[in-house]
Amino acid sequence: DGGITQSPKYLFRKEGQNVTLSCEQNLNHDAMYWYRQDPGQGLRLIYYSQIVNDFQKGDIAEGYSVSREKKESFPLTVTSAQKNPTAFYLCASSPGGTGNYEQYFGPGTRLTVT
Amino acid sequence: DQQVKQNSPSLSVQEGRISILNCDYTNSMFDYFLWYKKYPAEGPTFLISISSIKDKNEDGRFTVFLNKSAKHLSLHIVPSQPGDSAVYFCAASEWGASGSRLTFGEGTQLTVNP
Repeated sequence: DGGITQSPKYLFRKEGQNVTLSCEQNLNHDAMYWYRQDPGQGLRLIYYSQIVNDFQKGDIAEGYSVSREKKESFPLTVTSAQKNPTAFYLCASSPGGTGNYEQYFGPGTRLTVT
Repeated sequence: DQQVKQNSPSLSVQEGRISILNCDYTNSMFDYFLWYKKYPAEGPTFLISISSIKDKNEDGRFTVFLNKSAKHLSLHIVPSQPGDSAVYFCAASEWGASGSRLTFGEGTQLTVNP
């Protein structure tokens, strides 16, 4: 049963702490993405990776970091430098390569920082 | 700079009638467009897409129209059903040096009333 898993569904942290959000896919996709969604706003791209050991900053990368050591995993760390970390975080993957535009999304993680 | 805009935050229609969701974009380098449907606290799911070389794509009750000269696309749902009630995101793709990435609009909340 192929898909994208994000865990946990809900995450609570104290201000000043770093937190890492998990994203795993078993679709054998090359490309993976992290988005954040805030109320009344669309999905904004944080980081993306087209291949293992390589990743690119998206539109709102400040205060976040990622790694891509394995094809199936793309964890996102929300650091204490991120000014407004409370949001709904979505991970996505796609086959990658020319002509493959559709992205498949995980169920999301709602992070609350107080 | 919002490159993809959905100017209607919400739309309400009666069951059985047509729903028309609109999307405008500014970047002429976008070459593929997608519509996603999203329920609360879930990841978006792919609905329908269209390449920039076409002006219409149909899939069952869903049709997407693209007007390149106006940089405008629309999603038609006929007939609308209560289960279609969700947030609909328009997304545009461009292929760059770092591979493909999607830019999303803000979303339109569709409510279909029985």
